[in-house]
Amino acid sequence: KAGVTQTPRYLIKTRGQQVTLSCSPISGHRSVSWYQQTPGQGLQFLFEYFSETQRNKGNFPGRFSGRQFSNSRSEMNVSTLELGDSALYLCARSGREERTWELFFGEGSRLTVL
Amino acid sequence: GQSLEQPSEVTAVEGAIVQINCTYQTSGFYGLSWYQQHDGGAPTFLSYNALDGLEETGRFSSFLSRSDSYGYLLLQELQMKDSASYFCAVNQAGTALIFGKGTTLSVSS
Repeated sequence: KAGVTQTPRYLIKTRGQQVTLSCSPISGHRSVSWYQQTPGQGLQFLFEYFSETQRNKGNFPGRFSGRQFSNSRSEMNVSTLELGDSALYLCARSGREERTWELFFGEGSRLTVL
Repeated sequence: GQSLEQPSEVTAVEGAIVQINCTYQTSGFYGLSWYQQHDGGAPTFLSYNALDGLEETGRFSSFLSRSDSYGYLLLQELQMKDSASYFCAVNQAGTALIFGKGTTLSVSS
């Protein structure tokens, strides 16, 4: 098991709305990364958090934001939704902190924007 | 910036060997990872190469040539269950893991 729980698994929103997605890594893992996956585009990096600090940020507009809490749970928010935001949003924890190349992914939150 | 190139699709038959190539352009390169993702599932880690050469894990092997900015994933004795998408990803200084667009492998009987 990956030890990453994402909620909700599926959701439908309309253009202009906002959405908040949640990710909880198993206890003891302080690093969380978020990726957006769309058909034909692979996994595009959104954010990386470590101990409540954003360590890296991908090339996404400011409508995409995130945060991490003291218990390592992370949320990402997308405001003013657009049709193109329809995607699978994946959250991952790293293995031991030095193994940044080995990510363990949750099952994802599939967002549909109508 | 960085870029990764891998074929979009590969087809093969059961029992065959297939090689999925990945070329990359990046700075501060540390290593190359490979991930597998079945339809409807989450990506799972397969292998990592930080040094030149071949790493073998059962039926799967991964190769890296740092001087050529090139790597590949080799799948032997293909099985139907190997039908999936395969992603290469670069591990580099100052940023998170960056993934290629993926290669869809279809294995037929």
